[in-house]
Amino acid sequence: DGGITQSPKYLFRKEGQNVTLSCEQNLNHDAMYWYRQDPGQGLRLIYYSQIVNDFQKGDIAEGYSVSREKKESFPLTVTSAQKNPTAFYLCASRVGGSPLHFGNGTRLTVT
Amino acid sequence: GQQVMQIPQYQHVQEGEDFTTYCNSSTTLSNIQWYKQRPGGHPVFLIQLVKSGEVKKQKRLTFQFGEAKKNSSLHITATQTTDVGTYFCAGYEGGGSNYKLTFGKGTLLTVNP
Repeated sequence: DGGITQSPKYLFRKEGQNVTLSCEQNLNHDAMYWYRQDPGQGLRLIYYSQIVNDFQKGDIAEGYSVSREKKESFPLTVTSAQKNPTAFYLCASRVGGSPLHFGNGTRLTVT
Repeated sequence: GQQVMQIPQYQHVQEGEDFTTYCNSSTTLSNIQWYKQRPGGHPVFLIQLVKSGEVKKQKRLTFQFGEAKKNSSLHITATQTTDVGTYFCAGYEGGGSNYKLTFGKGTLLTVNP
């Protein structure tokens, strides 16, 4: 079955550490996205990529970095510069004008 | 930049009552999409509206896109406990090459059996 795999489901880190969240898709989708979800805040766009080796900042990119070396993969690094990293992170993909297809998400807790 | 506002933020209903959530954009949208997120889950696509004044139905769910393509609504008739979740609208501004989708904050629906 085609889909988006995010791992791990839960992630715990100490403050000051960088952490990388994995997102892999086998849907052959061109565009991939990272969203952050906080209670009552909806989905806020962190970064998105339309093609390999190209990506754009979303609305809340500060403290995050991404890479898109392969079409299938779009990892997100939460750096120590991100002030409030604890959140639910969702990866999504789409092709053309199709709707977004989401992964199951990674719940990151930083203490 | 584009803003998408959604009201109400929360809605609690008795099973069998109707429910409506409203979505308003600060700019004209090329299309609008609706997603549902069950508690603990991820958003799942429900429907996309493209044409001005468009109305689409999915069983007990009715979706509308405003004439000016700046607002939309989702109406659920006779809610059931399976309708529980957060409903998000999301809009694309501009043409089809625009890859940025802006989400509203969502409406959390709870249903009392």
